[in-house]
Formats: sequence, structure tokens, C-alpha cells
Amino acid sequence: EVQLVESGGGLVQPGGSLRLSCAASGFTFSSYWMTWVRQAPGKGLEWVANIQPDGSEEYYVDSVKGRFTISRDNAKNSLFLQMNSLRAEDTAVYYCATQSNYRIDYWGQGTLVTVSS
Amino acid sequence: QSALTQPASVSGSPGQSITISCTGTSSDVGAYNYVSWYQQHPGKAPKLMIYDVSNRPSGVSNRFSGSKSGNTASLTISGLQAEDESDYYCSSYTSSSTLWVFGGGTKLTVL
Repeated sequence: EVQLVESGGGLVQPGGSLRLSCAASGFTFSSYWMTWVRQAPGKGLEWVANIQPDGSEEYYVDSVKGRFTISRDNAKNSLFLQMNSLRAEDTAVYYCATQSNYRIDYWGQGTLVTVSS
Repeated sequence: QSALTQPASVSGSPGQSITISCTGTSSDVGAYNYVSWYQQHPGKAPKLMIYDVSNRPSGVSNRFSGSKSGNTASLTISGLQAEDESDYYCSSYTSSSTLWVFGGGTKLTVL
């Protein structure tokens, strides 16, 4: 059974940093593209970033480019999202998810990031 | 403003069929057969219901079906059941720098 467990969310001041983690199990992590999707409170879904299976390529939504960095540790079946220069509009539940071909299939339960002073 | 346009809400009675539309552009829905649909119950993670326009993942009821015409994709739920009451989101791969775009979501109410 695919399991994705996010952690690292919390309250941070504007301009601050946070590192999200996602522990994966139940599938061959090193073979899958992985992605982060976020959902602001009461709002829709927004794709944030994804990373190739070997970590050699990363892609980001324009609004986080230069501030967020996605990475992975295939030896530890873990996905990360380093978030710097956080803004109020980054407040959201952040979901870790697997990506197969051109679909985002399995999702974690999410971790809430709140950016507020 | 979401990239893909969905109706904010739809409703139907048990046993009926409903259709949710998802309108994009020639850069996303119209360009690729990579439209997915997700079901999200309150406080829960999204669940993949349809991928590649019309394919169902294993375990998803055949009451759920998808289609596409031009720049508009559709999700149809037949034989509505109370447990179908949820939020539904469409998504598409896109040729823009934002690789995936989502719709704003549609709240389905089973009357």
C-alpha cells in the first residue's frame, strides 16, 4: 500500500523559512517522479513543484521560483520542499504526491503551513 | 483565478446522473489527453478518480466516467449515491511553464 506522510508544517513569520518532508513507503520511490501540490484554506489545488526520479531535473510554478527548492533522498525514500522568503499567500496545506506518466496519483494527508506575523 | 474553469456547484438526486465540465485552452485540455479528475472529501486528501481523460484507476467505481471535446473535459457520475457528495477537481498537463493546472473545484451535493 502506498503511503506518503508529510511533516514539517507550522506557523512561520513572513520572510521566514520552513522545510517540509515527505516519508514514502509501499512503492519503489526511486522510480517515481514526485510532486508537491498545495491548497490554500477554502481554495482549490495548485501544483507547486516536481522532481525527476533521480533528482536531476526540477520544475516549479512561477510564483515559487527562486524561493522554493524541491529535493529527494532516494536512499531514505524521502521528498523535501525547502521554502524560503515565505509570504502570506504561501499559507496552505501542502500535499506530497506521486506522479505517474501525466497524472498525479497517490497523495499524502498534507501538512499545514501558516505564514503570519 | 484558476487556470481551468469548473462550475462552482452541481446537484442531483440519488440515482440520477450529473456532469461536471472543465474548460481550458488549446495549451492544456485541448492540447493533451492528460486530463485527470480528483474527488476530495472535507479535510481529506484528493483521490484520483479519472486519468488520461477517461481511464479509471483500479478500485474506482464504473459509475465515474470521463470524456473530452475540444478544450472542455467532462466528468459524469451516474447512479448518484450519498457518498459521492464531495468536491471534484479537474487537472490537465499544460505546455506552459506551469506543468499542471487545476480547476477551481466543483461542490457536488446529493439532494
